[in-house]
Amino acid sequence: SSELTQDPAVSVALGQTVRITCQADRPRSYHASWYQQKPGQAPVLVFYGRDNRPSGIPDRFSGSSSGNTASLIITGAQAEDEADYYCNSRDNSGDHWVFGGGTRLTVL
Amino acid sequence: QGRLVESGGGVVQPGGSLRLSCSASRFIFSNYGMHWVRQTPGKGLEWVAAISYDGTDEDYADSVKGRFTISRDNSKNTLYLQMNSLRLEDTAVYYCVKDLRRDYFDFWGQGTLVTVSS
Repeated sequence: SSELTQDPAVSVALGQTVRITCQADRPRSYHASWYQQKPGQAPVLVFYGRDNRPSGIPDRFSGSSSGNTASLIITGAQAEDEADYYCNSRDNSGDHWVFGGGTRLTVL
Repeated sequence: QGRLVESGGGVVQPGGSLRLSCSASRFIFSNYGMHWVRQTPGKGLEWVAAISYDGTDEDYADSVKGRFTISRDNSKNTLYLQMNSLRLEDTAVYYCVKDLRRDYFDFWGQGTLVTVSS
């Protein structure tokens, strides 16, 4: 089955830039999306596709992709960005969606 | 943005059945595909099932295929998940999620907890 691999934990100093990565086990036909989940809350879409940020998401959240790896970039991380982040993509069959294992972001 | 409210979770014995419902409001439900995604307590997210806007196309994760059925009633703005032959590993919070462009998960309900236990 298709897999997306994320680092389990990443930390960043307040105000600095952090990159959270999502590595696919094979080249993908579909773009990735990213979800932020804070304790006790449902996930929230924060970035998707080639270059899309939902309404209400701060512009410090951006994304990029290179080869088999998608990245979520937070430029100038804030204390409220501390959360779990999950990537997702449809697999190449187009009829399954796959999540990465999640990355816990700590803002120091 | 719309609203999604799940219901129907609870405690069930292994081998039992449960039906989850998701009531949608504040958006045109019949225009969008929908998903169920689950999260084991303290663990990550797992996509479970998807259904097209008109209910004609369904997809399932391998872990639930043949046991779970996703359906919808557009006249009632409601999404369903019929879960049969439940296993211990099906214990999770189940989220109802609105589809965005068929590729992404737009927004999520607050979830309903399903506990499979003897």
